[in-house]
Order: sequence, then C-alpha cells, then structure tokens
Amino acid sequence: DIQMTQSPSSLSASVGDRVTITCQASQDISNYLNWYQQKPGKAPKPLIFDASNLETGVPSRFSGSGSGTDFTFTIRSLQPEDIATYYCQQYDDLPLTFGGGTKVEIK
Amino acid sequence: EVQLVESGGGLVQPGGSLKLSCAASGFTFSGSPIHWVRQASGKGLEWVGRIKTKASSYATAYAASVKGRFTISRDDSKNTAYLQMNSLKTEDTAVYYCTRLQRDYCSGGNCFFDYWGQGTLVTVSS
Repeated sequence: DIQMTQSPSSLSASVGDRVTITCQASQDISNYLNWYQQKPGKAPKPLIFDASNLETGVPSRFSGSGSGTDFTFTIRSLQPEDIATYYCQQYDDLPLTFGGGTKVEIK
Repeated sequence: EVQLVESGGGLVQPGGSLKLSCAASGFTFSGSPIHWVRQASGKGLEWVGRIKTKASSYATAYAASVKGRFTISRDDSKNTAYLQMNSLKTEDTAVYYCTRLQRDYCSGGNCFFDYWGQGTLVTVSS
C-alpha cells in the first residue's frame, strides 16, 4: 500500500497568514495527488486535483505543487472560512489512501 | 442538482450485518464508478472500496480491513449503489460516505472524488 504522510497534523495561524501543508508518498505517484477540505460534520470537498490543478469554483488563494513523492498545499492568505481539516489523497494505485489530515485553526 | 444520499446506517451488534444504500441523482450514475469512504469519529478518511461501471464489468475492489466481509453492488436502473456489511466489528464504527470518481480508469489523470453524500453513521456496539 502507498502510505501518505501529511504534516503537520495541526496548525494555528492568523488571518492573512500563508499556510503550508506537506504530503509525502511512500513511493512515486507521479502527480496523482488530490487535496480535500473537510469542515466539521460535512463531507470532504475537492480543492486541488493532479497535484496543482484548482477545482472549478475554488478560490485562487488555494494552490498545490509537487510530483513524485513530495507535495505541498498552500493557502496564500488564510481566511476565517478556511478553518477545516485538509487531506491529501493518492490515486496512483489501490488501495486509494489519504494522508492523516491537517487541522487548521485561527490563532 | 447533483445529489448522493446515503441511508441505512444505525446501531448493530458485533457480528451483525447492515446494508447501506447510496441514491444518486443529477449526473450519469451508470457511467460513474462509486466508492465508499469511511471516517471514525475524530479520525481521518479511510477508503473502503469501489465498484466500477458496466463497461468495466462492475469490477469491485476493497480495503484489506473489510475484504471478505463487505460487498459493494449497484443497480443502475435505480441509480443506487449498496454496501453490504457482514461480520461487523466495533472498529467498523464510522460515518460512511459514498462518493463518485469521474471514470473507471484514471491513468490519464483528472480523477478525484467530486461528488459526496452527507454520510450515514454506523455504530457497532453491544
């Protein structure tokens, strides 16, 4: 199985801060990496697909980069509505696997 | 409007069975592979399994943790997918989501879970 190691597991930042989350795959997954946002009590919402492509309707302050085994997710300027848990997910091989999640809070 | 609506969750004793349903509308259900993802309270997301479309002979695949106990099926005439869960364990307690991937084969990229249900809670406890 491909293990997805996400860090940090939680972070606290101020409104307007730049926030960065990393995700490392246990083997090369090319760019088959997606990012999701999950708010409490809600289903996950796709933000980024194929490592760096913004899903339709997602604000441009969200971005992603990377390929192979190392990936980065960035919120350029943190907004109050961005409080959520973020997950990376690989689809290079079954079983599909998710990172452990990063809980983002406002300082 | 796209909708995926799960139902069938509830309280079941260890060793028992439960069948979840996922009713779809607003998109071409028959052309969409359906996946199930679960989330234990306060924990992360875990892929459970998937069923492909008729074009791929309704191929199924499962996580090791549920293989041999869970079965995914679908009825395209009813736009509904199912998750039959047998020999349930306390560690199967979770919110279960059904979700859609855009195509059966994702080698060309552009493949992510775009539509999700609201989830249904399964509690396995005596």
